[in-house]
Amino acid sequence: GENVEQHPSTLSVQEGDSAVIKCTYSDSASNYFPWYKQELGKRPQLIIDIRSNVGEKKDQRIAVTLNKTAKHFSLHITETQPEDSAVYFCAAITGSARQLTFGSGTQLTVLP
Amino acid sequence: NAGVTQTPKFQVLKTGQSMTLQCAQDMNHNSMYWYRQDPGMGLRLIYYSASEGTTDKGEVPNGYNVSRLNKREFSLRLESAAPSQTSVYFCASSESVSGGTYEQYFGPGTRLTVT
Repeated sequence: GENVEQHPSTLSVQEGDSAVIKCTYSDSASNYFPWYKQELGKRPQLIIDIRSNVGEKKDQRIAVTLNKTAKHFSLHITETQPEDSAVYFCAAITGSARQLTFGSGTQLTVLP
Repeated sequence: NAGVTQTPKFQVLKTGQSMTLQCAQDMNHNSMYWYRQDPGMGLRLIYYSASEGTTDKGEVPNGYNVSRLNKREFSLRLESAAPSQTSVYFCASSESVSGGTYEQYFGPGTRLTVT
């Protein structure tokens, strides 16, 4: 089955700096890579996603890059703000039922 | 639209007791999923239902059973709860149509403690 590894597990940045979270996946058949943000005590919510036929996608301060050859993808957050503090999960989708395999999460803390 | 709803929000069980977690979605999605979330381990898939009438095991199915009651509802049952099943349980739903959106929408979660 699919295996998704995520690094780092914790990340602290100063407000205004950039944050980068990296993930690798194992199944070359995976073709959809979402990123979820989870605030404390809340449900995961999709913030951005990328399909395997695209190398980069951007939405305001958030961007995701995908390297299919190397099987890794990354989340980039620019101009970080305190409200960006949360746990971020990468995931890869596979299978006929579009099952998600999640990374173990990154606790991002933006220091004011 | 309520999206994905789950009941109960909190539950405490004694070892060996049974219970059913309920999940419903009003987005007319074909696929539904049950995950458990443990500290430092992300979300792990327990069972999923690609469409009404079908269910399949995920990564960690032992100790659980599921029922896809209809297109809207997907329940998770613990027949004999164990302390290792203490976790936060999330239900999710999505469309499974090829080429369509793959976004999974999550419910608010059920925090289960087994003593």
